[in-house]
Amino acid sequence: DQQVKQNSPSLSVQEGRISILNCDYTNSMFDYFLWYKKYPAEGPTFLISISSIKDKNEDGRFTVFLNKSAKHLSLHIVPSQPGDSAVYFCAASDGGTYKYIFGTGTRLKVLA
Amino acid sequence: NAGVTQTPKFRVLKTGQSMTLLCAQDMNHEYMYWYRQDPGMGLRLIHYSVGEGTTAKGEVPDGYNVSRLKKQNFLLGLESAAPSQTSVYFCASSYDLYTSSGYTFGSGTRLTVV
Repeated sequence: DQQVKQNSPSLSVQEGRISILNCDYTNSMFDYFLWYKKYPAEGPTFLISISSIKDKNEDGRFTVFLNKSAKHLSLHIVPSQPGDSAVYFCAASDGGTYKYIFGTGTRLKVLA
Repeated sequence: NAGVTQTPKFRVLKTGQSMTLLCAQDMNHEYMYWYRQDPGMGLRLIHYSVGEGTTAKGEVPDGYNVSRLKKQNFLLGLESAAPSQTSVYFCASSYDLYTSSGYTFGSGTRLTVV
């Protein structure tokens, strides 16, 4: 029973274009969300977060959008760069359980 | 500025052997976590700790035990390794749950059980 789902295992985008990575969740109690990037043979690194009291958070080329009614969040990368090629994980927490549940990941390939 | 250090980085075990994975953090974080990553399964939480001397079960705790005797260390034990425990194991820590920077992860331990 996957509470956090990333339904696209992979995505290819041309350099300079927008990358949109999607994440759906089932638990309406989730109130804080994170995105991580992971390169091969390395641990995941934090990218950006969003609280359920917001619907958008920006950090440079990265923007996360949250649609609570649809239980959906997305990560936009504009413009995409070859160095963005990695696996991206979304994660969600309901606070009271002190832990994050991760999605299965989406492998992004940015083509030069 | 080491962050989160995991040892060992690689290990091959025979079925039935035991081993302990060590996670050490130097950031004075309260929360520590053990995840495993498997193809198509993402990161799944094994056990976690919200402070020294505390541990709790995550999503996939069976076959593993943990201890947090010191705030900076979180140990993951496999008492009798099985091939299903072949995976990449990641330790993570955080100051609190709602930190805007999320978890800090170690670089992982690749475990193969034959």
